Amino acid sequence: GAVVSQHPSRVICKSGTSVKIECRSLDFQATTMFWYRQFPKQSLMLMATSNEGSKATYEQGVEKDKFLINHASLTLSTLTVTSAHPEDSSFYICSARDNNYGYTFGSGTRLTVV
Amino acid sequence: QQQVKQSPQSLIVQKGGISIINCAYENTAFDYFPWYQQFPGKGPALLIAIRPDVSEKKEGRFTISFNKSAKQFSLHIMDSQPGDSATYFCAASMYHRAQKLVFGQGTRLTINP
Repeated sequence: GAVVSQHPSRVICKSGTSVKIECRSLDFQATTMFWYRQFPKQSLMLMATSNEGSKATYEQGVEKDKFLINHASLTLSTLTVTSAHPEDSSFYICSARDNNYGYTFGSGTRLTVV
Repeated sequence: QQQVKQSPQSLIVQKGGISIINCAYENTAFDYFPWYQQFPGKGPALLIAIRPDVSEKKEGRFTISFNKSAKQFSLHIMDSQPGDSATYFCAASMYHRAQKLVFGQGTRLTINP
């Protein structure tokens, strides 16, 4: 089956610094990747959709300059949280889509900004 | 019109019982309806999914029932086990257009031994 690898699984950073999260599709090519944010005991909130080689499409209310998304290849997308603040602390999850396997999710990244 | 409404918010079932979670959608253009299972600190994992051209799909202890006219679908977990205790999310998408998944609010399922 399809596997999506997400790294790191946990990261603690200081306020004002930037953090990069990687999402890789290991055994398939993902033309579309999605980035979600999840608060405790809540559902997944879509942040943005990215297509390989194109600019990401951000959901309403998501700051594109704060959450930089790059989808440079069919197997790799990155989310960079710039100038992180404590309110950015959350669980970030990526998902990759292809026609054979549907939507496959990474294992998530717990970001804590101190 | 993009919403997917899920109920109940939480559910407690005895071991061996049947767990039932329901979802309703509005957008008739949705053509893909998956259910995901999520454990704390992990990403969601696909359990089972259905397309609107069938009314039921079964995989092991998990069954999706789909009612196109009512725009509702449900997950049944037969012979529920303590290891099934997790949060379950229904979702929907316009799969053929590679569109985003729209998630329900989630159901926290607890199976008592």
